[in-house]
Amino acid sequence: DAKTTQPPSMDCAEGRAANLPCNHSTISGNEYVYWYRQIHSQGPQYIIHGLKNNETNEMASLIITEDRKSSTLILPHATLRDTAVYYCIVRVSGSEKLVFGKGTKLTVNP
Amino acid sequence: DAGITQSPRHKVTETGTPVTLRCHQTENHRYMYWYRQDPGHGLRLIHYSYGVKDTDKGEVSDGYSVSRSKTEDFLLTLESATSSQTSVYFCAISDSGGAAGYTFGSGTRLTVV
Repeated sequence: DAKTTQPPSMDCAEGRAANLPCNHSTISGNEYVYWYRQIHSQGPQYIIHGLKNNETNEMASLIITEDRKSSTLILPHATLRDTAVYYCIVRVSGSEKLVFGKGTKLTVNP
Repeated sequence: DAGITQSPRHKVTETGTPVTLRCHQTENHRYMYWYRQDPGHGLRLIHYSYGVKDTDKGEVSDGYSVSRSKTEDFLLTLESATSSQTSVYFCAISDSGGAAGYTFGSGTRLTVV
């Protein structure tokens, strides 16, 4: 079972920041937070991951709360091509298993 | 998608027939995975491989077998296809056991009639 909770859907205006929340209140000390997205029926695409520090790459930023019970994925300037289902996943270090929940369907509107 | 190819992309088969799906990578990654995606269930791990001839079961492995005789190829076989195996199958690769993220293929849509 997925160990994360995400809102089922969100909307965002093109050019604005999209902030996608994720609750993982039962996360353990050795579990990482991963974000993937799936555009239409394509394969999921890796976005970013983190353990306890905030992370940033060319696609997004990941903000993890100090108690690690929740995190936020930030797309700084959303475009129409960012419309997708976004999955927040916790993964035990060394485990092969990624448990995908239902994710958040983000719709970026013109 | 970043050196990973799945074939076929679409297949319709009859109940009881054997089916083999192929995942081919050109990245020389050690780890390869097969997932299935169904409405209401998200993606679920079927089998994975951590090297040539080294494979292990995932959470939904019943009715499936895999083989990896070369680094670049990971085959998923349905020995006797059933309607419950109608799904979209995704292959994924990783060079670090997933620590730095997985790269997924474009998927195979399998329909068992």
